[in-house]
Amino acid sequence: GDSVTQMEGPVTLSEEAFLTINCTYTATGYPSLFWYVQYPGEGLQLLLKATKADDKGSNKGFEATYRKETTSFHLEKGSVQVSDSAVYFCALSTLNLYNNAGNMLTFGGGTRLMVKP
Amino acid sequence: DGGITQSPKYLFRKEGQNVTLSCEQNLNHDAMYWYRQDPGQGLRLIYYSQIVNDFQKGDIAEGYSVSREKKESFPLTVTSAQKNPTAFYLCASSKGSRVPRGAEAFFGQGTRLTVV
Repeated sequence: GDSVTQMEGPVTLSEEAFLTINCTYTATGYPSLFWYVQYPGEGLQLLLKATKADDKGSNKGFEATYRKETTSFHLEKGSVQVSDSAVYFCALSTLNLYNNAGNMLTFGGGTRLMVKP
Repeated sequence: DGGITQSPKYLFRKEGQNVTLSCEQNLNHDAMYWYRQDPGQGLRLIYYSQIVNDFQKGDIAEGYSVSREKKESFPLTVTSAQKNPTAFYLCASSKGSRVPRGAEAFFGQGTRLTVV
């Protein structure tokens, strides 16, 4: 089955440091890839996505490139802020019309990011 | 504004009680999902529904039940058979199976359930 593996946290950085959160995946089909962010006590929000190989998703200074050859979708940001402190989830979806699962998401375990002033 | 509304935000359950978590969306989405999140862990799928009056078990359906009588609503009942129900529950929706690749899921704010 499909699976997503993320680096374990917490990741602790100082403000303005460079961020990388690793994400690799296993999928039976050709997945779309996502990064979601969860702030304390809240639901998940879509941060960025990519739907085909070599696509780069970007939003709010975060970027991730769909690497089919390494089955990876690593999240990066050049200069983190305290307000970026949150839990980040990598996810994939593969269209599956045979069991009526549609665009159902498979999530990684999440990586907590803590940014110190 | 369109979105997903979960209620209540906090819920306390006594041992042996059934409780129902509400999830309503006004995004006109066909698909709806329930996930469970435990501290420091990822999301695990409980149930999902791609169309009204139909739903499927996810990875951890035991001790839970759902209904999908209306497109907008997908309530989750945590029954007394669920032995460890204390968790954060998230509801999500998406456009469903007949959409282009990369259709995103939208999430509610979650319900934190605690057994007392």
